[in-house]
Amino acid sequence: GENVEQHPSTLSVQEGDSAVIKCTYSDSASNYFPWYKQELGKRPQLIIDIRSNVGEKKDQRIAVTLNKTAKHFSLHITETQPEDSAVYFCAASTFDNAGNMLTFGGGTRLMVKP
Amino acid sequence: DGGITQSPKYLFRKEGQNVTLSCEQNLNHDAMYWYRQDPGQGLRLIYYSQIVNDFQKGDIAEGYSVSREKKESFPLTVTSAQKNPTAFYLCASSIGGTVSYEQYFGPGTRLTVT
Repeated sequence: GENVEQHPSTLSVQEGDSAVIKCTYSDSASNYFPWYKQELGKRPQLIIDIRSNVGEKKDQRIAVTLNKTAKHFSLHITETQPEDSAVYFCAASTFDNAGNMLTFGGGTRLMVKP
Repeated sequence: DGGITQSPKYLFRKEGQNVTLSCEQNLNHDAMYWYRQDPGQGLRLIYYSQIVNDFQKGDIAEGYSVSREKKESFPLTVTSAQKNPTAFYLCASSIGGTVSYEQYFGPGTRLTVT
């Protein structure tokens, strides 16, 4: 099955700096890569996603890049703000006879210091 | 108000008792999922269902059971066979089909077994 590894597990940055979180996946058939943000005690919420036919996608201060050859994808947050502090999860989706499944990385706790 | 709901928010049970967690969605989604989240860790898939009256085991199905009698509902039963049931349980839904789409998460149920 798919295996997703995420690094770093914790990341501390100064407000205004950039933050980068990296994920690798094992299944070359994976074709959809979402990123979720989870605040303490809350549900995960999608912040950005990318499909395998696209190399990069940007939404305001957030961008995701995908390298299919190397099987890794990254989340980039620019001009970080204290409200960006949360746990971020990457995921990779595969489709088999039973349907679509997401495999999640272990998460990155981002702390933005004011 | 459209969305996905879970109840209760907190649940306490004695060891040896079965307990059922509720998950309801009014998004008209075909696919529904159950995840388990342990402190400081990622989401692990317990069961998923792509269509009514059909469901598949995820990575950690042992000690759990589900049913999908209605499109809107996907209850999870944590049985006494589950060795470490204390965790945060998240239900999710998505459009389904052969293309991967965003999964929408419910608010979660925090289960404590003593």
